[in-house]
Amino acid sequence: EAGVVQSPRYKIIEKKQPVAFWCNPISGHNTLYWYLQNLGQGPELLIRYENEEAVDDSQLPKDRFSAERLKGVDSTLKIQPAELGDSAVYLCASSLGLSSDYQETQYFGPGTRLLVL
Amino acid sequence: AQSVTQLDSQVPVFEEAPVELRCNYSSSVSVYLFWYVQYPNQGLQLLLKYLSGSTLVESINGFEAEFNKSQTSFHLRKPSVHISDTAEYFCAVSARGGDDKIIFGKGTRLHILP
Repeated sequence: EAGVVQSPRYKIIEKKQPVAFWCNPISGHNTLYWYLQNLGQGPELLIRYENEEAVDDSQLPKDRFSAERLKGVDSTLKIQPAELGDSAVYLCASSLGLSSDYQETQYFGPGTRLLVL
Repeated sequence: AQSVTQLDSQVPVFEEAPVELRCNYSSSVSVYLFWYVQYPNQGLQLLLKYLSGSTLVESINGFEAEFNKSQTSFHLRKPSVHISDTAEYFCAVSARGGDDKIIFGKGTRLHILP
């Protein structure tokens, strides 16, 4: 069974440019999460989807970050424009979606490492 | 809101020696507790979790953690480590039945010395 797939694995852009990350969750997983992981830190939740609905986006900086999960399967996270401080690893995870809280095991993708110059 | 503290950023230990990775949390409500592991060049994966019931939880590869409510701790232990245990370990907490998001600690890097 395929795990969570993310692309690209690495991205280098100049500041003020737009960038997009793609995630395909494990088949059958209804809940999808995007995390930000800075160097030396643990993952920080940006947004959580249950199917196509964003149920927790309180930590998403909405002035420059956006996300979508149009058909309730794969998802895209976008930054526009990127800033130097956005350099980090962006993680996607998924879970079955049988529970409305955070007790479910999350399955993580390998992440996209972003460097903004 | 919940918070989690992993006091040790790095823990060196000799192969076949015991290890304890410390995790303390803060919460005003009942919690779920997790340990995730990230092996080199891989994504995070669940090692073990406490939801309810027995306060001692075990993983398939010999790790165990004990939920201690009075100490607000969820320390991870293994009686004898192997070189393959080299990884970064993240403790995480979330509120039971609540909408509060999951909070991860900063991680502890476990170095196994030959």
